[in-house]
Amino acid sequence: SQQGEEDPQALSIQEGENATMNCSYKTSINNLQWYRQNSGRGLVHLILIRSNEREKHSGRLRVTLDTSKKSSSLLITASRAADTASYFCATESGGYNKLIFGAGTRLAVHP
Amino acid sequence: DAGVTQSPTHLIKTRGQQVTLRCSPKSGHDTVSWYQQALGQGPQFIFQYYEEEERQRGNFPDRFSGHQFPNYSSELNVNALLLGDSALYLCASSRTGGLAQYFGPGTRLTVL
Repeated sequence: SQQGEEDPQALSIQEGENATMNCSYKTSINNLQWYRQNSGRGLVHLILIRSNEREKHSGRLRVTLDTSKKSSSLLITASRAADTASYFCATESGGYNKLIFGAGTRLAVHP
Repeated sequence: DAGVTQSPTHLIKTRGQQVTLRCSPKSGHDTVSWYQQALGQGPQFIFQYYEEEERQRGNFPDRFSGHQFPNYSSELNVNALLLGDSALYLCASSRTGGLAQYFGPGTRLTVL
């Protein structure tokens, strides 16, 4: 079963715009991770935020975590056509790197 | 440095058959996890291998089994295939104490 849900399920924007994706989860966590997947292939690790962190940046990515609301958001600034992909949040809560994924957000960035 | 590799890329089987998927972890990684991703869904954890033992298991039937070899590579075996086993099977590796997992490109299994 999925840990939580991503919102929206699909997002369509123009190049240069910002894209925001949200993730909610159900149980307490050790960390939350975001992954990107192109065309149904392997997942690429984007960023990890620990449960005691509230915000983290990596290049054009910004992730926030609100453990009181059991939610996270991923912001991609100044989007590019190459950002077109599915984005998944995954939570780790029991140790040993067992990840529980959401259903993902499909992002389409149009030139 | 090669990343995580998986073989084969694609596989077509018929119901009732058995299949073996293979994974080689990233260099320096000793832990291998397997995930099943149905079309349009997020990956679901099948099991994890560490020191040649199954350390954790998700909610999958015993038809799904695995193995880890001394060189840390791993196999996923599925017996008595069902149509619902059609999915992308992803292997991920990590090192002890590491938090990030590195995923392979996946094996697309189609059961007819």
